[in-house]
Amino acid sequence: NAGVTQTPKFQVLKTGQSMTLQCAQDMNHNSMYWYRQDPGMGLRLIYYSASEGTTDKGEVPNGYNVSRLNKREFSLRLESAAPSQTSVYFCASSGTSGTRGTQYFGPGTRLLVL
Amino acid sequence: DQQVKQNSPSLSVQEGRISILNCDYTNSMFDYFLWYKKYPAEGPTFLISISSIKDKNEDGRFTVFLNKSAKHLSLHIVPSQPGDSAVYFCAARGYGSSNTGKLIFGQGTTLQVKP
Repeated sequence: NAGVTQTPKFQVLKTGQSMTLQCAQDMNHNSMYWYRQDPGMGLRLIYYSASEGTTDKGEVPNGYNVSRLNKREFSLRLESAAPSQTSVYFCASSGTSGTRGTQYFGPGTRLLVL
Repeated sequence: DQQVKQNSPSLSVQEGRISILNCDYTNSMFDYFLWYKKYPAEGPTFLISISSIKDKNEDGRFTVFLNKSAKHLSLHIVPSQPGDSAVYFCAARGYGSSNTGKLIFGQGTTLQVKP
């Protein structure tokens, strides 16, 4: 099992450009999440999907959109990138309700917006 | 409003000694607390968790203590090893989030274990 995979690993964008970050999991998890990690800020939730077909905003959704393509895949789109979106982005997934809430993370995408 | 706080950005300890990482929370409506460990250029990995109905959980060298009256969580690593050097995040799950698995993370504490 690959667990949670993310592409690309690293990306440089110019202000105003768009891009999509891809995430896939092979653990048959219902829930998937997108976080950003910034120095001193911890992991902040951007969007999440509790199950296939549903998405909800997290703590910092502005400037982002998401698509839960199927149970395995959850993508994050930046329509018009801004320097404030320079960050490391992590995708995560977790299993069914009733568990302790353990999430499994991908390796991250490092994004630089110039 | 930061509901989960790690007030120490960094901690340095000698190999073989105890490492104590602290976390405070402001919301009493959490049912699970978790610790994650993160190495550079990798994603966070789950380390240990504790239910809100317990006050201690132990797994090998790692023990998590929960003091509900003080709204305080701590992770003890004994003995500390150089391979434990990483960023440690505490996280909490709200009672209403059992069906979504949403977590709220602290800012992280960078632990350095010196040989």
